Amino acid sequence: QTVLTQEPSFSVSPGGTVTLTCGLSSGSVSTNYYPSWYQQIPGQAPRTLIYNTNTRSSGVPDRFSGSILGNKAALTITGAQADDESDYYCAMYMGSGISIFGGGTKLTVL
Amino acid sequence: EVQVVESGGGLVQPGGSLRLSCAASGFTFSSHAMSWVRQAPGKGLEWVSAISGTGYSIYYADSVKGRFTISRDNSKNTLYLQMNNLRADDTGVYSCARHSSDWYSFDYWGQGTLVTVSS
Repeated sequence: QTVLTQEPSFSVSPGGTVTLTCGLSSGSVSTNYYPSWYQQIPGQAPRTLIYNTNTRSSGVPDRFSGSILGNKAALTITGAQADDESDYYCAMYMGSGISIFGGGTKLTVL
Repeated sequence: EVQVVESGGGLVQPGGSLRLSCAASGFTFSSHAMSWVRQAPGKGLEWVSAISGTGYSIYYADSVKGRFTISRDNSKNTLYLQMNNLRADDTGVYSCARHSSDWYSFDYWGQGTLVTVSS
C-alpha cells in the first residue's frame, strides 16, 4: 500500500522560510502524481493552497510555493507569518480515481 | 460563491448504518467530480470515495470498499454517502470536497459532519 510521508512537525521563526516535504513510499514523486497541498487549522475545513505541483489556488499569497525537490514534493513558505501556524497536508493522485493524503505536518511559528 | 454543506452525521452503534448528504451550491454541480474525505479524531485526512460528475465512475478506498456507497443526484445538487456495517475506526469528521476540473486535486471543502461509532 502506497504511503505519503511528511515531517510530523516543523518550526519556523516569523519572517523565516520553511520547506515541508512529501515523499512517496513506492518511489520518486513526479508531476504525474499531480501533488497538491492543503492547510488546515484544527476544527476548520481544509484550504487548498497548491495544486498540480506548483499552481497556487485562488487567493493564496505568493509566499506559498510548490515544487519537486529531489524525489519529493515540497511546499515552501517564504516570510512565515503567525497565522501560517497550522497543519499542512500533501495529497497525490495515484490513478484509477484514487487519491491519497500524507500524514500531515504541524507547523509552529515562533 | 461555491459552498458544500454536509449533514447526516451522528452516533451509531457498531454494525449500524448512516447516510450522509452534501448539498452543493454556487457552481455547476454535474461538471465536477466529488469526494468524501474523513478525519479521525486527532488524526490526518483520509480519502474515502470519489464519484465523477455524471455518477458513472465511482472509486473507493480499500478501507471502506463493500461497506460504503457513494452516489449523487445532480437534479438536487446533492452528494451522498451510504455507510453500512460501521466500525469504531470509521469514527471521524466526514467532509465532502469538490474536485478541480481536471480531477487531480480538491479545490473546495465543506466543514464536515461528525460520525461516531460506539456502543
